[in-house]
Amino acid sequence: EVQLRESGGGLVKPGGSLRLSCTASGFSFSTYDMNWVRQAPGKGLDWVSSISGSSRNKYYADSVKARFTISRDNANNSLFLQMHNLRVEDSGMYFCARGDILTGAAGGDLWGQGTLVTVSS
Amino acid sequence: QSVLTQPPSSSGTPGQTVTISCSGTNSNIGSNFVYWFQQVPGTAPKLLIYRNNQRPSGVPDRFSGAKSGTSASVAISGLRSDDESDYYCASWDDSLSGWVFGGGTRLTVL
Repeated sequence: EVQLRESGGGLVKPGGSLRLSCTASGFSFSTYDMNWVRQAPGKGLDWVSSISGSSRNKYYADSVKARFTISRDNANNSLFLQMHNLRVEDSGMYFCARGDILTGAAGGDLWGQGTLVTVSS
Repeated sequence: QSVLTQPPSSSGTPGQTVTISCSGTNSNIGSNFVYWFQQVPGTAPKLLIYRNNQRPSGVPDRFSGAKSGTSASVAISGLRSDDESDYYCASWDDSLSGWVFGGGTRLTVL
């Protein structure tokens, strides 16, 4: 079955760290760009970071630059988001999503169910 | 505040056609493709339209996308109760080097 499954969310104090994972199955993972998109409770979608299939290109939203690091392990069909110096405003559901939207491909055609990150003292 | 501008809400009655707009700038919609996502609250987003007006397999032809200049829209014809969802537009932004989203439009079927 073609799917994405996130894990690693949880409750963390401000200033803390967390590492999110996204495991892919059912498709050729290494041939796709991958993305993290988050959604604060009751709010809209907010792009966090993207990585190309080869890991050569990485992009970050200004709000997370220098605090978050995106990476991937194509051998194990996994995507990661290492988050440091977490802030209350980083709280929300974190989704991984497949594909790019720059080239006109069907980017965003596959999403995981999300993993919840709560930053609170 | 979102980079792309959408109306916060829209509504229609069953069978009607509703259109949701999305406004951007030359650095995003004006020079890149527009995508639309549908999200039932509490679930993951679903790709509705890609490359301005293309539908992924499985998306009914009641949904159609259009783009002109720095604006885009999605039209939903033959409105059904299960179309009641949040709708988000998205595009790549050349200045920000990343995805940008609209704030979302909540569609209510009366």
